[in-house]
Amino acid sequence: AQTVTQSQPEMSVQEAETVTLSCTYDTSESDYYLFWYKQPPSRQMILVIRQEAYKQQNATENRFSVNFQKAAKSFSLKISDSQLGDAAMYFCAYIAGGYQKVTFGTGTKLQVIP
Amino acid sequence: IAGITQAPTSQILAAGRRMTLRCTQDMRHNAMYWYRQDLGLGLRLIHYSNTAGTTGKGEVPDGYSVSRANTDDFPLTLASAVPSQTSVYFCASSRRAGANEKLFFGSGTQLSVL
Repeated sequence: AQTVTQSQPEMSVQEAETVTLSCTYDTSESDYYLFWYKQPPSRQMILVIRQEAYKQQNATENRFSVNFQKAAKSFSLKISDSQLGDAAMYFCAYIAGGYQKVTFGTGTKLQVIP
Repeated sequence: IAGITQAPTSQILAAGRRMTLRCTQDMRHNAMYWYRQDLGLGLRLIHYSNTAGTTGKGEVPDGYSVSRANTDDFPLTLASAVPSQTSVYFCASSRRAGANEKLFFGSGTQLSVL
């Protein structure tokens, strides 16, 4: 069974600094997709970034980028120039190609310190 | 504003009572989902629907039922609520069923079963 592990329940970062959130996953599939979702205090989940496993290039979305290490089954999220609005729960998620079910990690709560 | 509407926002329910959580989307998305979010467990899929008229079981379907009579609505029913169903429930949708599809989430329903 696929599992997604986020080993950091909480993290904090100084405003304008860079922070990296960790995520590892376990799968026997070769075709899959990885996502980071943000859940602010409003509760509504928002997609931050996604990565196709067949792509070697790491995905980037403005201040958000990933470090995708396929062999190590690692998918970390880097937030550069952290802003107060980045404070939220962040969930790592996985889905195998051709499947319906997205598996979520347990989340990392990010605090941004002014 | 296009999106997903969930109702109610929160509810306190006596054990044994029947409850239907409502979910409506106006994006004409084919696929819809119900997740529950519990502290330390992340989000877990309850039921899903790939298209109107079809439904499927997710990871934790017991005690829940769904219907998909049309594209826009995907209600979740608890036939006889139990305290272990206390959770935050999220409805989500995607343009179509598929691994690389972005999920759009509602703002959730906080349900407490006493």
